[in-house]
Amino acid sequence: GAVVSQHPSRVICKSGTSVKIECRSLDFQATTMFWYRQFPKQSLMLMATSNEGSKATYEQGVEKDKFLINHASLTLSTLTVTSAHPEDSSFYICSARRQEGTGELFFGEGSRLTVL
Amino acid sequence: GQNIDQPTEMTATEGAIVQINCTYQTSGFNGLFWYQQHAGEAPTFLSYNVLDGLEEKGRFSSFLSRSKGYSYLLLKELQMKDSASYLCAVPNTGGFKTIFGAGTRLFVKA
Repeated sequence: GAVVSQHPSRVICKSGTSVKIECRSLDFQATTMFWYRQFPKQSLMLMATSNEGSKATYEQGVEKDKFLINHASLTLSTLTVTSAHPEDSSFYICSARRQEGTGELFFGEGSRLTVL
Repeated sequence: GQNIDQPTEMTATEGAIVQINCTYQTSGFNGLFWYQQHAGEAPTFLSYNVLDGLEEKGRFSSFLSRSKGYSYLLLKELQMKDSASYLCAVPNTGGFKTIFGAGTRLFVKA
């Protein structure tokens, strides 16, 4: 099956620093990837849609200057949390779907960010 | 817009059967997904329904009634490893984004 890989799986950083999370589709090309955020015991909330070669599309309430998304190739999207604060601590998950098939999402392993 | 409702928590006994319900409201229907998510891990795909009826896949089955805006996930012969959150999800109008319900946390006890 399709595989999406995400790195790092865990990161701890100091308040005010920036953190980059990578998401790679390993066996298919993904023109679109989706970034979700999940707080403890809550559901997945879509943050933004990452579009290869163009600007990301952000959901309402998500600050595009704080969560920078770059999708420079068909297999890689990155999410950078800039000037991170403790309230940004969360589980960030990327996903992609094949062009064929039922449209199910294939998820990366997730990245748990803790901002001190 | 989309609205998805599912119970917050359920508890069941090992070896038993459990049914997790999901009701949804969407302005355009493009299928319904169920995902399993273990604590601290990413979700994994379980099933997809686009037509009414029951789809069976091993111990897991999923049912859909489009007219009622209703689906359920049926888990048979429960095992301890089935303890997880089960997420009901539907594509948004246009089918491009996937919107997730809050998830049902299932606890399987011995």
